[in-house]
Amino acid sequence: GESVGLHLPTLSVQEGDNSIINCAYSNSASDYFIWYKQESGKGPQFIIDIRSNMDKRQGQRVTVLLNKTVKHLSLQIAATQPGDSAVYFCAGNTGGGNKLTFGTGTQLKVEL
Amino acid sequence: DTGVSQNPRHKITKRGQNVTFRCDPISEHNRLYWYRQTLGQGPEFLTYFQNEAQLEKSRLLSDRFSAERPKGSFSTLEIQRTEQGDSAMYLCASSLGTTNTEAFFGQGTRLTVV
Repeated sequence: GESVGLHLPTLSVQEGDNSIINCAYSNSASDYFIWYKQESGKGPQFIIDIRSNMDKRQGQRVTVLLNKTVKHLSLQIAATQPGDSAVYFCAGNTGGGNKLTFGTGTQLKVEL
Repeated sequence: DTGVSQNPRHKITKRGQNVTFRCDPISEHNRLYWYRQTLGQGPEFLTYFQNEAQLEKSRLLSDRFSAERPKGSFSTLEIQRTEQGDSAMYLCASSLGTTNTEAFFGQGTRLTVV
């Protein structure tokens, strides 16, 4: 069935370290993926996206890697800061209309 | 503010009452989506519009739920005869009408049914 899930529910990192958040998906037809950051009480905030014709995309302090062979993507955050503390969701498109299927999220905690 | 706007931010209602939420998308976006999010979970798709046409509804959208986008701009989501299980964050998102473009979310409406 269609599902997008994350390996770890909570990730704790020291300030300044790099963070890696992983995500697995099951729908091989998904060809577009987005990472969102969600702070408590707020809506998801777009971080970065990647299309299936790419295996890597970089943004400011963030990198998304896509491995279509094993249906896995990851979000790397460089030099993690306290402001990065939030829940991170991966989402993949399913069906038409760009509707998204979300995973359950990973709580990133940045320790000072 | 040119982002997606949702009103109200919070709504507390008694079981059995009707509630209506509003979403104003980013102005040039012709696709509008409604999602529901419960605590500790990712958002779940409810329905989406292309301009004024409602093109898809999830099985999560029971008969008590209705969404409209009459002029292809703002949208409303109404829940009739609310139940405690309807308590959740209702999120609206919008995107351009082209394939595989990012969807931007509003801050959501937190519904509590007591």
